Amino acid sequence: ELKVEQNPLFLSMQEGKNYTIYCNYSTTSDRLYWYRQDPGKSLESLFVLLSNGAVKQEGRLMASLDTKARLSTLHITAAVHDLSATYFCAVALNTNAGKSTFGDGTTLTVKP
Amino acid sequence: KAGVTQTPRYLIKTRGQQVTLSCSPISGHRSVSWYQQTPGQGLQFLFEYFSETQRNKGNFPGRFSGRQFSNSRSEMNVSTLELGDSALYLCASRPGGDFLETQYFGPGTRLLVL
Repeated sequence: ELKVEQNPLFLSMQEGKNYTIYCNYSTTSDRLYWYRQDPGKSLESLFVLLSNGAVKQEGRLMASLDTKARLSTLHITAAVHDLSATYFCAVALNTNAGKSTFGDGTTLTVKP
Repeated sequence: KAGVTQTPRYLIKTRGQQVTLSCSPISGHRSVSWYQQTPGQGLQFLFEYFSETQRNKGNFPGRFSGRQFSNSRSEMNVSTLELGDSALYLCASRPGGDFLETQYFGPGTRLLVL
């Protein structure tokens, strides 16, 4: 059974600081997603990572994937208050592309 | 293109009742997946439909069922509601023909069971 673990589950940061969220998964996966969820809202897709060594960046967020270590990271650079949200990673297999297994989420609070 | 839409957005039911939730995917998308989100269990996969056929199923009891229509709209039904069914129910759509596709999530239906 595919398991996905994120850490930390809660993260409080000062504006301007850098931090990394980690996502470990238990079995070989074909793709890894990062999503953002604001309170009371749905999931917004941030990144899709498909191959070992993949790196994607959007603004202050950068995601990477190491399939050998079964690890993905979401790095936050110079955090700003608008980044406060819950971030989920999720993995899926190509044979079951419509079924994603999610981590528990990391709730990020960026303080001035 | 219009995004994924879900109706109703909010729903209050009592134990023992049944409920039907609806999801309209992005135009042209043939795959619809359903997820349940609760504070205790997180996001859990319910099922996926593609071209009116259930393609994947999660570990939920038979009280949870779904279907998909020829226009790709999907419904999920929960019978004999329990308090623990209170959750945000999210559907996600994707074209369905290529493993490189991203899922697009709808706004969700928040169900409260009293």
